Amino acid sequence: GNSVTQMEGPVTLSEEAFLTINCTYTATGYPSLFWYVQYPGEGLQLLLKATKADDKGSNKGFEATYRKETTSFHLEKGSVQVSDSAVYFCALRTKTSYDKVIFGPGTSLSVIP
Amino acid sequence: DAGVIQSPRHEVTEMGQEVTLRCKPISGHNSLFWYRQTMMRGLELLIYFNNNVPIDDSGMPEDRFSAKMPNASFSTLKIQPSEPRDSAVYFCASRHSGSSTDTQYFGPGTRLTVL
Repeated sequence: GNSVTQMEGPVTLSEEAFLTINCTYTATGYPSLFWYVQYPGEGLQLLLKATKADDKGSNKGFEATYRKETTSFHLEKGSVQVSDSAVYFCALRTKTSYDKVIFGPGTSLSVIP
Repeated sequence: DAGVIQSPRHEVTEMGQEVTLRCKPISGHNSLFWYRQTMMRGLELLIYFNNNVPIDDSGMPEDRFSAKMPNASFSTLKIQPSEPRDSAVYFCASRHSGSSTDTQYFGPGTRLTVL
């Protein structure tokens, strides 16, 4: 079946450090891939997305590249800020799953000054 | 835009009581989703509707859970009777199915505590 695997957290980084959160997926066909972010006490928000192989999604300094050969969609940011502290969810949606989005377990990030 | 609206934001109830969670999707969105989030199980899709019709309710835990969408601007998730293991944050999300974007817009969630 379709699934998403993320690196386990929590991840703790100092401000301005480089961030990578690994995400790999299993899916039939060619899914659309997403990163959602959840700030404390809030619902999830779409951070970025990619809909086909080699696409790069980017937003707010974050970026992720759709790698079909390694079935991965790793999230990166060159210099994190305290305000980036949140839980990050990798997710996929297949063309055959209609509206159903499958989320990974989430990775908690804490950025300390 | 008001975004997805959920009420109440917090609910504390006793085991055995009926609980009703409410959701107003973004105007114009025709798909609506109910999720449950816990530390142990993460984010789980309970049910989703398209054009007010339930499409997939395979995530609904058991018969104590039911969801309705009587019109395009309102949905409820009901738990009767509630149990302590139902304690979680329940999110509603909506989307315009058929649009070029895939974004689901989440509400702020209802934190349910069953004592």
